[in-house]
Amino acid sequence: QQQVKQSPQSLIVQKGGISIINCAYENTAFDYFPWYQQFPGKGPALLIAIRPDVSEKKEGRFTISFNKSAKQFSLHIMDSQPGDSATYFCAASISGGYNKLIFGAGTRLAVHP
Amino acid sequence: DSGVTQTPKHLITATGQRVTLRCSPRSGDLSVYWYQQSLDQGLQFLIQYYNGEERAKGNILERFSAQQFPDLHSELNLSSLELGDSALYFCASSLGTGGSGELFFGEGSRLTVL
Repeated sequence: QQQVKQSPQSLIVQKGGISIINCAYENTAFDYFPWYQQFPGKGPALLIAIRPDVSEKKEGRFTISFNKSAKQFSLHIMDSQPGDSATYFCAASISGGYNKLIFGAGTRLAVHP
Repeated sequence: DSGVTQTPKHLITATGQRVTLRCSPRSGDLSVYWYQQSLDQGLQFLIQYYNGEERAKGNILERFSAQQFPDLHSELNLSSLELGDSALYFCASSLGTGGSGELFFGEGSRLTVL
């Protein structure tokens, strides 16, 4: 119940295309869903996050879509650029208290010029 | 730069040995987290400390231990090392207790066990 399942494992997109990464969770107590971006040799860094009271959140070219009934959420990267090439992790946690952030397995995105 | 400092960046050791990984959190952050990243397991939560006390525990092996000192830096001790312990170990910090706040990750300590 603590798992977050992420797909695909890897993704190749052409420059200007849309990158879509999906995640699913089981624990209905999760109420905070961030996405982290990790470049080679660096630690993960927060990209965008959403709470289940909204179905979509957009920041620039990055959008999170959230489907509470299906217990799924996804990251859309519009107009993908070579600089977006990185590993993306979805995560989930229960806000409040001492609650750990559970990460998905990661998606390695390559945007080809 | 996240403000989280981890040392050493790289470490090569032999099976059966013991190593200590060190983490200095961002200034003002009270929570420190340790994560293990391996190729086939993604980011696995190990343990969280808040203001010196252990607050949450994940899949941390009994051979591993951690602590957070009064100056808020943290150390992760790995003993009786096995080949499978080879991984990237990340430290992260946050201002609050976690769960709904941003975690700031260091650049990791890459451990290779030969």
